[in-house]
Amino acid sequence: DQQVKQNSPSLSVQEGRISILNCDYTNSMFDYFLWYKKYPAEGPTFLISISSIKDKNEDGRFTVFLNKSAKHLSLHIVPSQPGDSAVYFCAASVAGIYGGSQGNLIFGKGTKLSVKP
Amino acid sequence: ETGVTQSPTHLIKTRGQQVTLRCSSQSGHNTVSWYQQALGQGPQFIFQYYREEENGRGNFPPRFSGLQFPNYSSELNVNALELDDSALYLCASSRRQGSGETQYFGPGTRLLVL
Repeated sequence: DQQVKQNSPSLSVQEGRISILNCDYTNSMFDYFLWYKKYPAEGPTFLISISSIKDKNEDGRFTVFLNKSAKHLSLHIVPSQPGDSAVYFCAASVAGIYGGSQGNLIFGKGTKLSVKP
Repeated sequence: ETGVTQSPTHLIKTRGQQVTLRCSSQSGHNTVSWYQQALGQGPQFIFQYYREEENGRGNFPPRFSGLQFPNYSSELNVNALELDDSALYLCASSRRQGSGETQYFGPGTRLLVL
């Protein structure tokens, strides 16, 4: 049973437009969420995170929105650039006692984003 | 600040053999987690080490074992390799402290079992 789902295997966007990547989760105990970007032959690179006490977190061109009632989060990239083309993973966990994620990160299967010039 | 490094980058083994993968944590990090990523899937949690002790384990058999050393580097050992063990093995380090913790990944070791 997949606890974290990324239902779109791929997404294609024009350079300069907004990219919206979606993620759904089923476990109501999850309270810390992260997005990672992965290029081929590299490890996942941390992008942005959000704890369940917030509904939005912004870092430059990247914004993550969390809708706890719908158990849904999304990553917005504005404006999209060709260098953003990669596989994006959503991950969830139970927060540690110090905050942040602790131990078991549960990942979705990823969404491959292609940004066309 | 030195990032997470892993060795080797690629490895080919035959079924039944044993393998050891190595990871050096990012400077200042005291926690290391290991993940297995099969083709087309997201990473799956194997286990985590904190202060040289196992601190959580995913749904992997005992033939997957690990170590964390005083300098916070780590090893993943897999005994009696099976064909399904072919995957990308990722190490992630983090710093457990009062202001939050995010896991940072190394480049991975790609293991092929024939």
